[in-house]
Amino acid sequence: SQQGEEDPQALSIQEGENATMNCSYKTSINNLQWYRQNSGRGLVHLILIRSNEREKHSGRLRVTLDTSKKSSSLLITASRAADTASYFCATYQGGSEKLVFGKGTKLTVNP
Amino acid sequence: SQTIHQWPATLVQPVGSPLSLECTVEGTSNPNLYWYRQAAGRGLQLLFYSVGIGQISSEVPQNLSASRPQDRQFILSSKKLLLSDSGFYLCAWSVSWGRDQPQHFGDGTRLSIL
Repeated sequence: SQQGEEDPQALSIQEGENATMNCSYKTSINNLQWYRQNSGRGLVHLILIRSNEREKHSGRLRVTLDTSKKSSSLLITASRAADTASYFCATYQGGSEKLVFGKGTKLTVNP
Repeated sequence: SQTIHQWPATLVQPVGSPLSLECTVEGTSNPNLYWYRQAAGRGLQLLFYSVGIGQISSEVPQNLSASRPQDRQFILSSKKLLLSDSGFYLCAWSVSWGRDQPQHFGDGTRLSIL
């Protein structure tokens, strides 16, 4: 079953602009993770935010988490053409070892 | 450092033929191992996961099976492939303890069934 849902499904911006992607989830979580996938490649873990954290930074990435709204956002500042990829949020489902991924946001950064 | 190897990178198989995809992890012990399938433009579907040698949990009923003959080896198999088995197959690992851990993915196998 789908736990995380990303929004928008696709996003096209110019180099230098900021990109914001949102994720909504359904059940309570311990943490929420964001992954990146370049076309035809495996996923790469970007950042993990725990349920007791509201904001986390890593380089040009900023992730926020609002557990009251069951939502998270990923902000990429000063985007580059190399940021072109699909971005997925993921959470663990219930008490299991299963990490459930959303369908992703496809980001295109135009040079 | 830990690495994950997945092969082959691409595979074209006729309907009804068998399948064997292999995944190995280096640099860690007793990892959790996962097989996912990703349809074009879609999210990931968990197929199997394993928390130890010989321990396989199946998530989706289908004609695929998985085995873990060694601690860091995970194999995805089929006796007879269907057209619907086409897709991008990803292997991943995570540390065995705790769920505050990311998953680390291989580069995937693009499987086309003719």
